[in-house]
Amino acid sequence: GAGVSQTPSNKVTEKGKYVELRCDPISGHTALYWYRQSLGQGPEFLIYFQGTGAADDSGLPNDRFFAVRPEGSVSTLKIQRTERGDSAVYLCASSSSGGSTGELFFGEGSRLTVL
Amino acid sequence: QQPVQSPQAVILREGEDAVINCSSSKALYSVHWYRQKHGEAPVFLMILLKGGEQKGHEKISASFNEKKQQSSLYLTASQLSYSGTYFCGTYQGGSEKLVFGKGTKLTVNP
Repeated sequence: GAGVSQTPSNKVTEKGKYVELRCDPISGHTALYWYRQSLGQGPEFLIYFQGTGAADDSGLPNDRFFAVRPEGSVSTLKIQRTERGDSAVYLCASSSSGGSTGELFFGEGSRLTVL
Repeated sequence: QQPVQSPQAVILREGEDAVINCSSSKALYSVHWYRQKHGEAPVFLMILLKGGEQKGHEKISASFNEKKQQSSLYLTASQLSYSGTYFCGTYQGGSEKLVFGKGTKLTVNP
């Protein structure tokens, strides 16, 4: 079956603009994670969903970042008033159970560049 | 708390062995290992759970010292395809947040 799909693969925007990044997890996976990865760094945790609810959003850097998963499948990461420091690759991962005991399947990522 | 990986980088010749270490200052529930090739998504290698259970690929081996909150990934008879950046991720009890280290870049040369 299909893996985790992320769109767009690349997004270039201007400082101050609003951006939405979409993640389509593997069918049936209840756990969904968003990570942010800067060049030369490990993935940085942003938020974890179990079903429709955000079980842990402690990694969201500030209130400009918000994520939803209204039907327990597709998730959207929303970034308001983008700043140059938001430039990074945003990775989505899904798991059939909680990731603590199971494998995370990562998407290819959405590369965000804020000019 | 981000786990600490060592070394930061290692260069091998094909057929040589390597050990990558991961340590945490917090008690761990599980340790996860992923490999990421340049421009690609991280790919699962192994999970080591508290209590000794392991899940992963047959050709990869690792250890988890629960008392010391340390894990090591053993790469034996390295192949060119082993090149990439290896990340350990740790879960602390009571949280579903997988926190990754900064990575170890492995280069295997012919």
